[in-house]
Amino acid sequence: AQSVTQLDSQVPVFEEAPVELRCNYSSSVSVYLFWYVQYPNQGLQLLLKYLSGSTLVKGINGFEAEFNKSQTSFHLRKPSVHISDTAEYFCAVSDLSGGSYIPTFGRGTSLIVHP
Amino acid sequence: EAGVTQFPSHSVIEKGQTVTLRCDPISGHDNLYWYRRVMGKEIKFLLHFVKESKQDESGMPNNRFLAERTGGTYSTLKVQPAELEDSGVYFCASSLGTSGLGEQYFGPGTRLTVT
Repeated sequence: AQSVTQLDSQVPVFEEAPVELRCNYSSSVSVYLFWYVQYPNQGLQLLLKYLSGSTLVKGINGFEAEFNKSQTSFHLRKPSVHISDTAEYFCAVSDLSGGSYIPTFGRGTSLIVHP
Repeated sequence: EAGVTQFPSHSVIEKGQTVTLRCDPISGHDNLYWYRRVMGKEIKFLLHFVKESKQDESGMPNNRFLAERTGGTYSTLKVQPAELEDSGVYFCASSLGTSGLGEQYFGPGTRLTVT
């Protein structure tokens, strides 16, 4: 069985500062990794995904994430955040166990950007 | 193109009552998923439709939950009778690909409160 741990439930940061949202996973097989963002009153939106290839993945809105297999991590980073990045961020992992790619989500990290 | 829509956005019902949630996926998406997030916890998978067929319903908590997708278009999720622990946000998502790795597009969710 796979699981996802998002180590921080809330991350406050000032505008234009860098941010890292941490995600660790556990799985016994090869995985696919995702970050989703949920803005207030909206559905989840895919930020980026790692399926294979380069371990550094670039997504929308200036976000990127790095897959580290040895540390089973997929941390999300942005070098300079905006007020508009205030949202909840979900890390997710999926593999072929059970015959489908249904993702397992973490508990979410609330990013709060202060002016 | 319209996104995934869900109705109602909020529902407050008493324990023992019945509630029906509706999801309209993106037109042409054969895959439809239901998820639930209990406050502060992970987003948990409930079930997956491919057209009108239930592909995977391993996440359905018990037989008080009934999901349908008549004609392979919109889907309903009925909770009867509702219990306090059913409170949470119910998300619907749809995707085009059949592998499950096709990007899932999420609706804004229905917040269900059982009192």
